[in-house]
Amino acid sequence: EAAVTQSPRNKVAVTGGKVTLSCNQTNNHNNMYWYRQDTGHGLRLIHYSYGAGSTEKGDIPDGYKASRPSQENFSLILELATPSQTSVYFCASGDRTGSYEQYFGPGTRLTVL
Amino acid sequence: GEQVEQLPSILRVQERSSASINCTYENSASNYFPWYKQEPGENPKLIIDIRSNMERKQIQGLIVLLDKKAKRFSLHITDTQPADSAMYFCAASRSGGSNYKLTFGKGTLLTVTP
Repeated sequence: EAAVTQSPRNKVAVTGGKVTLSCNQTNNHNNMYWYRQDTGHGLRLIHYSYGAGSTEKGDIPDGYKASRPSQENFSLILELATPSQTSVYFCASGDRTGSYEQYFGPGTRLTVL
Repeated sequence: GEQVEQLPSILRVQERSSASINCTYENSASNYFPWYKQEPGENPKLIIDIRSNMERKQIQGLIVLLDKKAKRFSLHITDTQPADSAMYFCAASRSGGSNYKLTFGKGTLLTVTP
């Protein structure tokens, strides 16, 4: 069974503060993704990575940075958090060969006050 | 890029009837079309997918149809049960090589009433 974990599961941050969301996968997948989910918008891709050391901009990258220090770990960084970044964030992993299924983590609920 | 439109946004059906969700995409190079189900408070999970070399795929009570000319694909849930109540997302991707990312529709909230 694929295993993607996220921490923290819930986070309250202040406007202007720095927030780091962490994701770990034990699937040995090359690709990892960060999405945000908002009512009425579905799942939108923020950043993704093909492997350790690589990060790519997704469809809504503004205000976010990403870091992939290893095959297993992928972080999403909000340097200056704003209330508009209040959302549920999902990390996912997937392989680039064979099945194209993406396996999602449990999500992180972020509230920026 | 890719844009995916999903309709309806809300769908309410009676138990044992069928439910249909439709999606359209823009990029004719897209070749992979998955459907994800998300239950309240949970993460999205893949339930069925179809690739561009197929027109129809069925897994038990789930049927996916793909019309490449119209750039349209759809999910049909037959003999619905209350357990089918959830949010459903379609997605499209141009897969291949190392560049693989999904563009999701905005979702359909399905409610199956007893």
